[in-house]
Parts: sequence; structure tokens; C-alpha cells
Amino acid sequence: QLQLQESGPGLVKPSETLSLTCTVSGGSISSSSYYWGWIRQPPGKGLEWIGSIYYSGSTYYNPSLKSRVTISVDTSKNQFSLKLSSVTAADTAVYYCARHGAQFDYWGQGTLVTVSS
Amino acid sequence: DIQMTQSPSTLSASVGDRVTITCRASQSISSWLAWYQQKPGKAPKLLIYKASSLESGVPSRFSGSGSGTEFTLTISSLQPDDFATYYCQQYNSYLWTFGQGTKVEIK
Repeated sequence: QLQLQESGPGLVKPSETLSLTCTVSGGSISSSSYYWGWIRQPPGKGLEWIGSIYYSGSTYYNPSLKSRVTISVDTSKNQFSLKLSSVTAADTAVYYCARHGAQFDYWGQGTLVTVSS
Repeated sequence: DIQMTQSPSTLSASVGDRVTITCRASQSISSWLAWYQQKPGKAPKLLIYKASSLESGVPSRFSGSGSGTEFTLTISSLQPDDFATYYCQQYNSYLWTFGQGTKVEIK
């Protein structure tokens, strides 16, 4: 059974860079035609797709966040990562990683990242 | 960018009720529409994909329909476990967008 697990700091200071890693187990991140994506959910609000990386390494970003987002993959560790720069309080959210094609079928449990000094 | 609009935002219903949630896309997305259920503190769970295909393991009381710009999620007989928030999600041209959500509450 495929499992995804987010990890990274739970507290980030304003103007700094948020960095999260998603570790995939139960399957290879590079062996099939899937996208690996990041989605976030501010407290009490809806879901927002941040961006995704294809197993080949191509990246796709939400236009509203594109200037601040970088997603990368480390196939040797079966991990993919998110970097979001110049964060503000508006970036406080639960961040999920997920496997997807047209739809998101496997999700991590989510990790809360708070932006505060 | 394609915008997804769900209605209603909140729905009050009783166990056994037939419930319908609507999702409208700002332009045609063919059948690239999925539905998710989310409970507090949990990750979303995929229910329906490609507008009307039931994800494995999801009860048959859930069904989806529509194409183009208008889609519906129907729960044929609401069960206690179904009180949750539901999201639609579209895929088009390497962009993925979620609706704002519909909370199904106990009446």
C-alpha cells in the first residue's frame, strides 16, 4: 500500500523559506506515470493546489504561487520536496503531499506549518 | 485559469436524505472532475473521478454525474458517517483547481 509522509519545520519566520519533504513508501516515485504534488489548506478554509512534479522531473505550479515555489525530486531517497519563499502569515496552513494523475488518489496525513516570528 | 464554484456552501440534512451538491466550472473541462470527502483533521478522500467513476472501496450510495461545466455529487441515502465537507476538483492543461467546499451538517 502506497504511503506518503510529510516532514519539516512546523514554525517558519516571516520572509523566510518554508521547506517540506514528502517521503513515499510502498512504491517507487520514479517507476510509474504519476505526478507528485503539494496541496495546502489554511485553518478553516478550502484546499489549494500548490504545484506538482512529474516522475520525469517536469514541474507544474499554481500561477498564483509560481514566483515563490520550487518543487524537486530525489529519486534515490524516494522523496520530493517543496520550497516556498518569502512566506507571510497567509502561508500558514496544513500542507499535504499527494500522488495524482487527473485526480489525487493517495495523500499524506498533512503537516501544519505556522508562519510567525 | 478555471474557477470551480460549488453550491451550496453548507447543507443541513438528516440521515436517510438524498443529498445533491453541484459544482460548476468557469469553462468546459470535459469529464476531468473529481469529488473528495474530508473530515476534520484528516486528509481528503477520493470518492469519484472522471465525473462519474466510483473509487474502489467507496460505498455505492455515492454517485457523480455531469460533463462540460456542470457536475453533481449525489448521496442517495445519507449515513451518519457522511457528515463531512465535500470538494470538487478539476484538471485542465496541467493545472488543478479545487472548489471552495460544501459542508454537510446534521439537521
